[in-house]
Amino acid sequence: GAVVSQHPSWVICKSGTSVKIECRSLDFQATTMFWYRQFPKQSLMLMATSNEGSKATYEQGVEKDKFLINHASLTLSTLTVTSAHPEDSSFYICSAQGQTNTEAFFGQGTRLTVV
Amino acid sequence: GQNIDQPTEMTATEGAIVQINCTYQTSGFNGLFWYQQHAGEAPTFLSYNVLDGLEEKGRFSSFLSRSKGYSYLLLKELQMKDSASYLCVPMDSNYQLIWGAGTKLIIKP
Repeated sequence: GAVVSQHPSWVICKSGTSVKIECRSLDFQATTMFWYRQFPKQSLMLMATSNEGSKATYEQGVEKDKFLINHASLTLSTLTVTSAHPEDSSFYICSAQGQTNTEAFFGQGTRLTVV
Repeated sequence: GQNIDQPTEMTATEGAIVQINCTYQTSGFNGLFWYQQHAGEAPTFLSYNVLDGLEEKGRFSSFLSRSKGYSYLLLKELQMKDSASYLCVPMDSNYQLIWGAGTKLIIKP
């Protein structure tokens, strides 16, 4: 199956700093990428949807100025958590869909801890 | 609204068979995924159904009935490593995945 690589797998940062998470589709062109957040023992929550070359669509309650998403190419999307705070500590997961929309492949996830 | 209904938790015995049922309501429908998620890890793809019927893939099978808004995941010859959450994830008319809480499956020796 297709492979989606997410990096880093875990990161610890100081409160007030920014963190960038990368999501790459390794063997297919991802026309759409999704970013999710998952708190412990809770369901995945969609944060935003991005299509290559256009602005991301954010879900209600997700601050677009805090969670910057860039999808500049068909194989790379990035999520930058700006001015991170301890409440942003969570498991962030990307998924990528190709043009056929029949499968959505997930990255390994990034565990962010803000101290 | 869009919603998914799965049992919160199920328990089964190693070597046995378990069926995880799912009913869903979505705005339009473009198929349904089943994912497995171990604690602290990203979901992994198990199956995709878009037409009615049963799809068999090794120890795992998935069934879909679009008219009933119903799907199930069947796991055979259960192994301890199958202890995980199983997520029934329909895709709506905008190709958005609709997530629920999933079913936590506990396998006992």
